[in-house]
Amino acid sequence: GAVVSQHPSRVICKSGTSVKIECRSLDFQATTMFWYRQFPKQSLMLMATSNEGSKATYEQGVEKDKFLINHASLTLSTLTVTSAHPEDSSFYICSATDRGSGAYIQYFGAGTRLSVL
Amino acid sequence: AQTVTQSQPEMSVQEAETVTLSCTYDTSESDYYLFWYKQPPSRQMILVIRQEAYKQQNATENRFSVNFQKAAKSFSLKISDSQLGDAAMYFCAANSGYALNFGKGTSLLVTP
Repeated sequence: GAVVSQHPSRVICKSGTSVKIECRSLDFQATTMFWYRQFPKQSLMLMATSNEGSKATYEQGVEKDKFLINHASLTLSTLTVTSAHPEDSSFYICSATDRGSGAYIQYFGAGTRLSVL
Repeated sequence: AQTVTQSQPEMSVQEAETVTLSCTYDTSESDYYLFWYKQPPSRQMILVIRQEAYKQQNATENRFSVNFQKAAKSFSLKISDSQLGDAAMYFCAANSGYALNFGKGTSLLVTP
């Protein structure tokens, strides 16, 4: 159980285009989802927290207009990188937790490697 | 706010031997959870073990166990009978709500 699917696993795009990354909880209701960014050989950096049906909470320094997060249902959150530029190239990881379980466990997707040319 | 510190950027262990990865944390919360996650080359984050701060008993999951010292704010991970498949980045993490604070990670190399 507790599977999180993230799609796509790899995306290459041209500078100026927008890219959407999906994060789905397959076998539980994800009341809260998280988006992280990870640079090579570094730790995960939390970008934002999203709760179903409400606006995402962004960490300091993360541009809300650049990284649009939507959590419209209990099983799906999306991250859209708008007008992507080479500096947005990174590894993006989502995670999900079920508040109802009280377990405070985050289950992670497999990540998306974004390369902006 | 919480901070998590992993002071060992890299560790090495021989197959079948035991290795301990260190982690310290700082928190003002009274109720929190501690985690060890493994990130192999595939980069999929995998939960290794979890410890509730209010529990005195150290968590154990097969070959993985923790040494939780609450007063010292220390949360080390012991891997027994190391296997080649244990080679990965290991991240210590803490939370008091639902957001995780990660350490910088320890890269574990397992040699035959």
